[in-house]
Amino acid sequence: DSGVTQTPKHLITATGQRVTLRCSPRSGDLSVYWYQQSLDQGLQFLIQYYNGEERAKGNILERFSAQQFPDLHSELNLSSLELGDSALYFCASSVGEGTVNTEAFFGQGTRLTVV
Amino acid sequence: GQQVMQIPQYQHVQEGEDFTTYCNSSTTLSNIQWYKQRPGGHPVFLIQLVKSGEVKKQKRLTFQFGEAKKNSSLHITATQTTDVGTYFCRAGTYKYIFGTGTRLKVLA
Repeated sequence: DSGVTQTPKHLITATGQRVTLRCSPRSGDLSVYWYQQSLDQGLQFLIQYYNGEERAKGNILERFSAQQFPDLHSELNLSSLELGDSALYFCASSVGEGTVNTEAFFGQGTRLTVV
Repeated sequence: GQQVMQIPQYQHVQEGEDFTTYCNSSTTLSNIQWYKQRPGGHPVFLIQLVKSGEVKKQKRLTFQFGEAKKNSSLHITATQTTDVGTYFCRAGTYKYIFGTGTRLKVLA
């Protein structure tokens, strides 16, 4: 158990809909990262937050947004869903940012299926 | 932008054979991390390398960071079926990008 909790584990929704994925980081971790993994593909970096502030953006679509709340949990919002958005979405957390204490601990992921 | 490539993409080995995956960056890295993802699982942190030329060992696993801090390798000696999975490197400063991964299959 990594200590990172993601909910829900599975989500099936229709095209055009909007969903929210939730992540609770490990206790004490201030950084949260979101990654997308399509079937048998690599891990695409979406976005990083540190202590409530956005730190880095990857290839995150404009239809996607995220935030980190004062209690450090994070949510990833996906809207106007398309079939190609079907993927495993991972949240990871680390103590630090930059180059210090950035070992990432991953949640079990949310498997999103868009039909 | 920063890119991190891994080779090979796939590797099938007989149990007991050695395995090596290489991670190459287009830019100098501040550090590099290695992760293992078992089939159906999530990435699990293995190790972090920070210094130029650094070598670290974990039992049968040996990790190296290149002198120029642009490449890294993970070597597994005498693979076992439990080594099956995809090995990723992860690098960056803020935007931590994963390498493309090497999927290892071990044939018993």
